[in-house]
Amino acid sequence: DAKTTQPPSMDCAEGRAANLPCNHSTISGNEYVYWYRQIHSQGPQYIIHGLKNNETNEMASLIITEDRKSSTLILPHATLRDTAVYYCIVTYDKVIFGPGTSLSVIP
Amino acid sequence: DTGVSQNPRHKITKRGQNVTFRCDPISEHNRLYWYRQTLGQGPEFLTYFQNEAQLEKSRLLSDRFSAERPKGSFSTLEIQRTEQGDSAMYLCASSLLAGYSYEQYFGPGTRLTVT
Repeated sequence: DAKTTQPPSMDCAEGRAANLPCNHSTISGNEYVYWYRQIHSQGPQYIIHGLKNNETNEMASLIITEDRKSSTLILPHATLRDTAVYYCIVTYDKVIFGPGTSLSVIP
Repeated sequence: DTGVSQNPRHKITKRGQNVTFRCDPISEHNRLYWYRQTLGQGPEFLTYFQNEAQLEKSRLLSDRFSAERPKGSFSTLEIQRTEQGDSAMYLCASSLLAGYSYEQYFGPGTRLTVT
């Protein structure tokens, strides 16, 4: 599976959009981009995934660059409950977690 | 609540004892995964099943670890002769193999403490 690079931590003001970047320059043509998050002491939670088109669901939006070498997860109106570790994963099958980005939403 | 349940939620055991954890996946999901997570780290893949077949085991899964999914429904993870280094959160996840979509749904985990 391709590896991803994410910033170790980010802050976001409550009510503002949180934009979490992910680099995956070695992604293969059949690999999807997945995002999960893990709130403290809970199991990871699936957020969204995409192949090459931008995707949106009730939780977030996923923007994938045209060359697929990077992506951004957007939480449009961050709340305190969005404070979590966010994992960007590229895979066609098995999920391998990296260290992720620790997002702190600040009042 | 994702629909994946794990029992027990917490287990404290003495070094050298055997422990067994259970995972009940979402009923129609044919894939089941086990992960281990230590403090400050992302979950580490241990093994996964498609129906009752164990398709892959990580090098992390030593001979003291064994997992089963006898009827393609629930799964158990057993650790024999526990060591202090086994202390971790053990996570189970399930997914439905359908096309190219593999989103996994995780249970709350079993926290193991080996004293």
